[in-house]
Amino acid sequence: GQQVMQIPQYQHVQEGEDFTTYCNSSTTLSNIQWYKQRPGGHPVFLIQLVKSGEVKKQKRLTFQFGEAKKNSSLHITATQTTDVGTYFCAGLYTGTASKLTFGTGTRLQVTL
Amino acid sequence: DVKVTQSSRYLVKRTGEKVFLECVQDMDHENMFWYRQDPGLGLRLIYFSYDVKMKEKGDIPEGYSVSREKKERFSLILESASTNQTSMYLCASRLTATYGYTFGSGTRLTVV
Repeated sequence: GQQVMQIPQYQHVQEGEDFTTYCNSSTTLSNIQWYKQRPGGHPVFLIQLVKSGEVKKQKRLTFQFGEAKKNSSLHITATQTTDVGTYFCAGLYTGTASKLTFGTGTRLQVTL
Repeated sequence: DVKVTQSSRYLVKRTGEKVFLECVQDMDHENMFWYRQDPGLGLRLIYFSYDVKMKEKGDIPEGYSVSREKKERFSLILESASTNQTSMYLCASRLTATYGYTFGSGTRLTVV
């Protein structure tokens, strides 16, 4: 079946460093969404990317969708302790009855 | 803000019991989903529903069933609970396919 691979599984950074997580699919995606889950919490929707090559920003977060619509990235500039959590990408494949396929997530730890 | 409410935050059940997990959303969303979340495996789709009385199997439906008699309520049923169903269960809803999911706070189920 369709799979969305996400790397790295875990990253530990010092506050102020940048962070990037990557998602890859072997087949073309219709769109991709990103979620954040704080420790002990539930996933919260961040953004959706639809167009090939699309780039969107939310303050220190930059989201990209690849030209071939097979990969995506989330980049956080100058991390803060409030960025701690697990970041999931979730892809929508054409013809899959609109159900998302989630990546396995990247857990981000930020220390002072 | 959309609210997705799951009836229990923590549940402990015995092997062989029939278990009901309830989920209610308050924003007239068409689509509802049940996921389970396990360390290292991310979020895996159990069942989803596009509309009242409609249901579709997700990626791991074995051992589960669902019920959607009213638009706002989507129930997950473990017919005969087993220890390998110990997990975090997350309900989500969505207005349509172009929107992100809103998740409930989750039910951590332990089967002993």
